[in-house]
Amino acid sequence: KAGVTQTPRYLIKTRGQQVTLSCSPISGHRSVSWYQQTPGQGLQFLFEYFSETQRNKGNFPGRFSGRQFSNSRSEMNVSTLELGDSALYLCASSFGLAGAPPYEQYFGPGTRLTVT
Amino acid sequence: DAKTTQPPSMDCAEGRAANLPCNHSTISGNEYVYWYRQIHSQGPQYIIHGLKNNETNEMASLIITEDRKSSTLILPHATLRDTAVYYCIVRVGGSNFGNEKLTFGTGTRLTIIP
Repeated sequence: KAGVTQTPRYLIKTRGQQVTLSCSPISGHRSVSWYQQTPGQGLQFLFEYFSETQRNKGNFPGRFSGRQFSNSRSEMNVSTLELGDSALYLCASSFGLAGAPPYEQYFGPGTRLTVT
Repeated sequence: DAKTTQPPSMDCAEGRAANLPCNHSTISGNEYVYWYRQIHSQGPQYIIHGLKNNETNEMASLIITEDRKSSTLILPHATLRDTAVYYCIVRVGGSNFGNEKLTFGTGTRLTIIP
């Protein structure tokens, strides 16, 4: 099976711009989660989507948003970029069956975003 | 989710078993113990998880104490490629949606020495 893919892998943006990151989960996986990783804050949960609905959300401002399509692919959008948004953005997918024990999440390689 | 405590760093000689401890003294009955690792600049990699019983797979073994307040990840024959940050995470099972967020701590930086 192909793993989780994320595009683009690297991105440089200017303060005030917006950015859209894409994640394709492992085939058959319906849950997609997004994480931000910075040297200062470590790995922090952004949000999770399951069956096109946001199921869980972390403590990030409304500038961070996402969506999931019917094929489980997901996009994450950050508007009005700030210097502090420079980070590695990771996407993780899992099978995600409701009411079941938690399934392991498989991570993609990440998108390295640099805001200048 | 229950918090975890791990040593910030450890060294292990190549070819020896690496034993990584994790304390999760406030773990609840329905929380699973998960281990992930992250090699520099890559996404975290799932290693193993367990609830009560010890578990083993092709990568590692997970030993959970009887009171479930601590666990140990064992890499039986460490190689240089095992150098990474190892995260111990506890997660609720049986939620409405089957998957809750992963809360990563600071992890243990394991260095395998040639």
